[in-house]
Amino acid sequence: RKEVEQDPGPFNVPEGATVAFNCTYSNSASQSFFWYRQDCRKEPKLLMSVYSSGNEDGRFTAQLNRASQYISLLIRDSKLSDSATYLCVVNIRPQGAQKLVFGQGTRLTINP
Amino acid sequence: EAQVTQNPRYLITVTGKKLTVTCSQNMNHEYMSWYRQDPGLGLRQIYYSMNVEVTDKGDVPEGYKVSRKEKRNFPLILESPSPNQTSLYFCASSSGLAGIYEQFFGPGTRLTVL
Repeated sequence: RKEVEQDPGPFNVPEGATVAFNCTYSNSASQSFFWYRQDCRKEPKLLMSVYSSGNEDGRFTAQLNRASQYISLLIRDSKLSDSATYLCVVNIRPQGAQKLVFGQGTRLTINP
Repeated sequence: EAQVTQNPRYLITVTGKKLTVTCSQNMNHEYMSWYRQDPGLGLRQIYYSMNVEVTDKGDVPEGYKVSRKEKRNFPLILESPSPNQTSLYFCASSSGLAGIYEQFFGPGTRLTVL
């Protein structure tokens, strides 16, 4: 089982739709969780951190479910500019160390 | 402007010809890291450095070397490149432990080894 798993997609949704991604992680000791966004052929950039209580940033909502070991990202009222690959990133903390593991990414295309 | 720079951005080389990809950050970050990104495999860490003269292996260190003589620079060295090292490489830095703080990535270096 991979340490961090994402549905690679691609997801094709119409502009204005709501879309949700999940990401599962295998290590229950995992501590920090993030969503990064990567545009085609560009570097990843932090979209948002994921907090235990869930958090929202404009049209984006991130949730953490420790019992089921997954995090989610919800995008409301999607825009054409949301087209990108979304990377789930988990600090899996093997033996107390800090280790960031990236999911392979979920590709999203918003269609006009 | 706060940034991470990498050079070169694109490189085509032949098997066995030593090369160095430079990485520099101007944010006074302690933590720096190198990743490679391959289709279907996501980003995998090659090496990382917690501070000057402190480096350690990531998940895929074979065939690579690094050094951290100055805080701002973290070059990646391929002593004898092979075709399986053809990939997109990213350097990243953060102000502290990478698991807690945001990582800032360079623009990437696309390497092709023939």
